[in-house]
Amino acid sequence: EVQLVESGGGLVQPGGSLRLSCAASGFTFSSHAMTWVRQAPGKGLEWVSSISGNTVTTSYADSVKGRFTISRDNSQDTLSLQMNNLRADDTAIYYCAKNYAPGAGSPLFAYMDVWGKGTTVTVSS
Amino acid sequence: EIVLTQSPATLSLSPGERATLSCRASQSVSRYLAWYQQKPGQAPRLLIYEASNRATGIPARFSGSGSGTDFTLTIASLEPEDFAVYYCQQRVNWVTFGGGTKVEIK
Repeated sequence: EVQLVESGGGLVQPGGSLRLSCAASGFTFSSHAMTWVRQAPGKGLEWVSSISGNTVTTSYADSVKGRFTISRDNSQDTLSLQMNNLRADDTAIYYCAKNYAPGAGSPLFAYMDVWGKGTTVTVSS
Repeated sequence: EIVLTQSPATLSLSPGERATLSCRASQSVSRYLAWYQQKPGQAPRLLIYEASNRATGIPARFSGSGSGTDFTLTIASLEPEDFAVYYCQQRVNWVTFGGGTKVEIK
């Protein structure tokens, strides 16, 4: 069964740091780009960051650029998101997702065909 | 940034009725558009990709159409489990999502 399981969420003070992880199973992890998407309380979906299967290429939303770092360990089938200098507006459920890029177009910017259940990040003093 | 505008924000319908949801892009996304369903407390689920292709396991009552800037998700006959929030997403220029349409029971 294809599965993604996030962990690492919690309560952190403004300016603090947190590292999220996503454990993948049931598919060839290194063959797929991966993405983090977040959802603030009562709001819609926001793309955060994506990373290529070979780790070479990454991309970030302007709202997190310079503060968040996406990475992956293909030997451990794990995706990570290091979040620094957190702000109140980073409060959200963070989902990791497997990219699906049929046909033409960048595999980095793709559809997401498998999602984890999410991990909640709360930034508050 | 490509902005996706979904309408209506809320659709109040009864089971068995047809649902028509709209997604309009601020510039052409060709056919690089997907639709997702999200139920309360759950992660989104991919329904449609490339504007009109159903994802694995998605019932035939869900269909997508459109190209360029105007797209439609149609649910032919609403089942009780279809009442949820639906999002569109483009992948032409980075990734952006629409604001969502909530399909609620009338």
